[in-house]
Amino acid sequence: KAGVTQTPRYLIKTRGQQVTLSCSPISGHRSVSWYQQTPGQGLQFLFEYFSETQRNKGNFPGRFSGRQFSNSRSEMNVSTLELGDSALYLCASSLDWTPWTAYEQYFGPGTRLTVT
Amino acid sequence: GENVEQHPSTLSVQEGDSAVIKCTYSDSASNYFPWYKQELGKRPQLIIDIRSNVGEKKDQRIAVTLNKTAKHFSLHITETQPEDSAVYFCAALSGSARQLTFGSGTQLTVLP
Repeated sequence: KAGVTQTPRYLIKTRGQQVTLSCSPISGHRSVSWYQQTPGQGLQFLFEYFSETQRNKGNFPGRFSGRQFSNSRSEMNVSTLELGDSALYLCASSLDWTPWTAYEQYFGPGTRLTVT
Repeated sequence: GENVEQHPSTLSVQEGDSAVIKCTYSDSASNYFPWYKQELGKRPQLIIDIRSNVGEKKDQRIAVTLNKTAKHFSLHITETQPEDSAVYFCAALSGSARQLTFGSGTQLTVLP
């Protein structure tokens, strides 16, 4: 089975612009989570989507948003980019989602976003 | 919310020795604890996980132990090899928030 894929792999944007990142989960996986990874803050949870609905959201400003499509592919959007948004954005897919069961998460290669 | 602390931040061992990385968590309702290995420039890779109804799990040279009473869990790597060199992250899935909270990572270096 193909793994989680993310596009683009690298992106350079200017402050104030917006960006959209894409994630395709492992075939058959229906849940997608997004994380921000920086040297200073480590790996931080952004949000999780299942069945086209946001199931959970981390502590990030409203400039960070996402969505999921009927084929489980997901996108995240960051508007009004700030220098501090420079990071590796990782998505992870898992087989399913329930409020009471934990499913293994498998990461994609990430999108390296640089804001200048 | 959940808080996960990971120690040590760096660890150097001789090839063939064992390595132990420890994590503590704050939410007693957390019920799932995965460990990830991230090599330089690569994605985090799930290497082992443990659920709250199990005290220990082993997979070849790696093992994880969980002490729910003390709210800590540990990764044990035996017979370390140079290819084990990487950053290792622990994480806890909060029972209430249903999100993975990661530790700050341990840079493991295995010296040949």
